[in-house]
Amino acid sequence: GQNIDQPTEMTATEGAIVQINCTYQTSGFNGLFWYQQHAGEAPTFLSYNVLDGLEEKGRFSSFLSRSKGYSYLLLKELQMKDSASYLCAVRDRGAGGYNKLIFGAGTRLAVHP
Amino acid sequence: GAVVSQHPSWVICKSGTSVKIECRSLDFQATTMFWYRQFPKQSLMLMATSNEGSKATYEQGVEKDKFLINHASLTLSTLTVTSAHPEDSSFYICSAKSHGTATEAFFGQGTRLTVV
Repeated sequence: GQNIDQPTEMTATEGAIVQINCTYQTSGFNGLFWYQQHAGEAPTFLSYNVLDGLEEKGRFSSFLSRSKGYSYLLLKELQMKDSASYLCAVRDRGAGGYNKLIFGAGTRLAVHP
Repeated sequence: GAVVSQHPSWVICKSGTSVKIECRSLDFQATTMFWYRQFPKQSLMLMATSNEGSKATYEQGVEKDKFLINHASLTLSTLTVTSAHPEDSSFYICSAKSHGTATEAFFGQGTRLTVV
């Protein structure tokens, strides 16, 4: 079956660094995405990993280990506006041969002054 | 990034009526569109995948006769919630991707449906 786990909630201080972990089990892994979602809004794309290693994009970095079924999103120099839910999503190649995104429950991050 | 427009942003309807939600890709051809539902403080649950010109593929537990999906063109997909009930009240989000090199799907703004 398919399973994606990430912590429900995290808190951090403005200016600090926070790491949000995600573990997954899927039969047809074909890439991992991180999205940011503010309450009542649609998700916005943050990062994509398909090969092992670290992808860096400004204040955000994402890491993937396919052998361990593990990823993390690293947020540096936290700002108040980073308070949001962070969704880990695995692209899975289904039985029909097409790709679909399976989302984790999301991690609600609260950034405090 | 590419733009996906979803309409309406919110809608209130009476129990028993039907509601249509539109998802349009504005600057690219969306060969595949996805429809998700999200309940408060929960993640996005994939309802169905639609490919242009073919029938939608529904996820397990999603009633295809209740949630009608049409993907008649490369820029438009619609989701119709038929005979809506209060438990159908949710946030519905579409995403669209083009064939080939695109690695990500782009999301619409979402539609808040409230059934009274």
